[in-house]
Amino acid sequence: NAGVTQTPKFQVLKTGQSMTLQCAQDMNHEYMSWYRQDPGMGLRLIHYSVGAGITDQGEVPNGYNVSRSTTEDFPLRLLSAAPSQTSVYFCASSYKGGPVNEQFFGPGTRLTVL
Amino acid sequence: AQSVSQHNHHVILSEAASLELGCNYSYGGTVNLFWYVQYPGQHLQLLLKYFSGDPLVKGIKGFEAEFIKSKFSFNLRKPSVQWSDTAEYFCAVNSGGGADGLTFGKGTHLIIQP
Repeated sequence: NAGVTQTPKFQVLKTGQSMTLQCAQDMNHEYMSWYRQDPGMGLRLIHYSVGAGITDQGEVPNGYNVSRSTTEDFPLRLLSAAPSQTSVYFCASSYKGGPVNEQFFGPGTRLTVL
Repeated sequence: AQSVSQHNHHVILSEAASLELGCNYSYGGTVNLFWYVQYPGQHLQLLLKYFSGDPLVKGIKGFEAEFIKSKFSFNLRKPSVQWSDTAEYFCAVNSGGGADGLTFGKGTHLIIQP
């Protein structure tokens, strides 16, 4: 299994540009999430999904859109990039069943907005 | 809402020293608790997790953590650290089934000096 994969690894955008960060998992996990990591802030939840067709907002959703058309994919869209969105973005997935849901993280996308 | 507090943002130790990293959470209900580690340039890896049972949990690489419900704490320990333990350590919590992602602390940057 490839686990959780993210593309691209690095991206530089200009203010106002749009882009989509891709996330895919091959573990048939129902739950998927997007986090951003900023120095001294830890990881903060942007959006999450409990299954195909179902998404919800996390702690810092402004400026980001998500959709979940399949179990495997959970793309994160920046409609109009701002310098405040410069960050490292991590996608994660977890299994719905079981007593505790360990989240498996992807390798991250480092985004710079100029 | 849940919150997680990690007391030490930066810790510097010598090899073979003992380690204890503090983590407190605020949430009134049932929680699942995690410690993740992020080595330089890498994504997050799970060190250990707690959801029920024995409050002393053992993880990978000689780490352990103790859940003290009365203190809302989940401190990470290691009796003798190695240079390779240099990394960022994150405490995290979710509730119930964990569908709505994790709430992370801000992280502790641990540096082990040879």
